[in-house]
Amino acid sequence: DIQMTQSPSTLSASVGDRVTITCRASQSISSWLAWYQQKPGKAPKFLIYDASTLESGVPSRFSGSESGTEFTLTISSLQPDDFATYYCQQYNSFPYTFGQGTKVEIK
Amino acid sequence: QLQLQESGPGLVKPSETLSLTCVVSGGSFSSSSYYWGWIRQPPGKGLEWIGNVYYTGTTYYNVSLKSRVTILVDTSKNQFSLRLSSVTAADTAVYYCAKMPTMRSFDVWGQGTMVTVSS
Repeated sequence: DIQMTQSPSTLSASVGDRVTITCRASQSISSWLAWYQQKPGKAPKFLIYDASTLESGVPSRFSGSESGTEFTLTISSLQPDDFATYYCQQYNSFPYTFGQGTKVEIK
Repeated sequence: QLQLQESGPGLVKPSETLSLTCVVSGGSFSSSSYYWGWIRQPPGKGLEWIGNVYYTGTTYYNVSLKSRVTILVDTSKNQFSLRLSSVTAADTAVYYCAKMPTMRSFDVWGQGTMVTVSS
């Protein structure tokens, strides 16, 4: 199985901060990576696919990038609605696997 | 707008079989462009992919669950189902169904249904 390792596990930030979350794959997944946002008691929300393509309707302050097997989700200016847990997921090969999640908290 | 809704018992006894259904509305269930998937999330933990099914019935399962999992489609009712046999407390989780366009991962999710395994 491909292991997806996210860092940090928890991130404390303020409104307006630039936030970066990293996800590292244990082997090559090409660009087959997605990012999700999840709030308590809710289903995950699809944000980004193919490592850097923003899903329709997702604010442009969210962006994704890749460098080899390291992938990054960036929020350029954190908004109150962005406090949540974020997950990466590879869909390069079965079994699809998720990172353990990064919780973005209010500082 | 396409929507998914899970349904099924919220409580299952150990060693029994968990059965859930996901009804798809507002879109084409039999599209050749989509897979349909099940994902679960134990309380306070991360997400685990269970398996995918194509409208033709072709399935892909997580090997960690493969011997216990069955995913079926019913195109006449625009729904697909999950059966997980020989459940234990470790199978207690919120179970989500989701749509996966080819080459795009899970873009539309159901609200999730909590299943507790307990006697």
